Amino acid sequence: RKEVEQDPGPFNVPEGATVAFNCTYSNSASQSFFWYRQDCRKEPKLLMSVYSSGNEDGRFTAQLNRASQYISLLIRDSKLSDSATYLCVVNGLTGGGNKLTFGTGTQLKVEL
Amino acid sequence: DGGITQSPKYLFRKEGQNVTLSCEQNLNHDAMYWYRQDPGQGLRLIYYSQIVNDFQKGDIAEGYSVSREKKESFPLTVTSAQKNPTAFYLCASSQWGGGGTEAFFGQGTRLTVV
Repeated sequence: RKEVEQDPGPFNVPEGATVAFNCTYSNSASQSFFWYRQDCRKEPKLLMSVYSSGNEDGRFTAQLNRASQYISLLIRDSKLSDSATYLCVVNGLTGGGNKLTFGTGTQLKVEL
Repeated sequence: DGGITQSPKYLFRKEGQNVTLSCEQNLNHDAMYWYRQDPGQGLRLIYYSQIVNDFQKGDIAEGYSVSREKKESFPLTVTSAQKNPTAFYLCASSQWGGGGTEAFFGQGTRLTVV
């Protein structure tokens, strides 16, 4: 089992749609969780951190379920500019210290 | 401005040559990471380091080497033992402790073997 697994893509959605991405992680000692956005041929950039209580930033909502080791990202009212790859990231404690593990990413294409 | 800098942006290497990719950060972060990304693929961890003079192998360390002599610097050497080195290499840093914080990335180095 991969340490971090994401929904396979691509997701092709019309502008204005609501889309949800899911992510599961295997290391129960994981301590912090993030969603990153990566545009084509660019470095990943932080979209939002994920907290147990859930957090919202405008059209984006992230949720964490520690019992199920599951993270989600919801995008409402999709814009063309939301087209990108979304990466789930887990910071887990290992013998070597904190280790950031990325999911393979889910590609989103928002269309007119 | 604080940030993380990778150089060069593009690098061409002949087969059989070693090449070193630079990564410098002035964010005073403890942890630094190297990832490799192939076209259409996710990020795979090569090496990571939590403190000076210590580093750990990631998932695909074979054919690579690193050093962490200074907190600010974490260079990656791609050796001739790496059979398929052409890829996009990303360096990141984060603060360590208390569960860790988000990672900040450099702009990446695109390595091509010619």
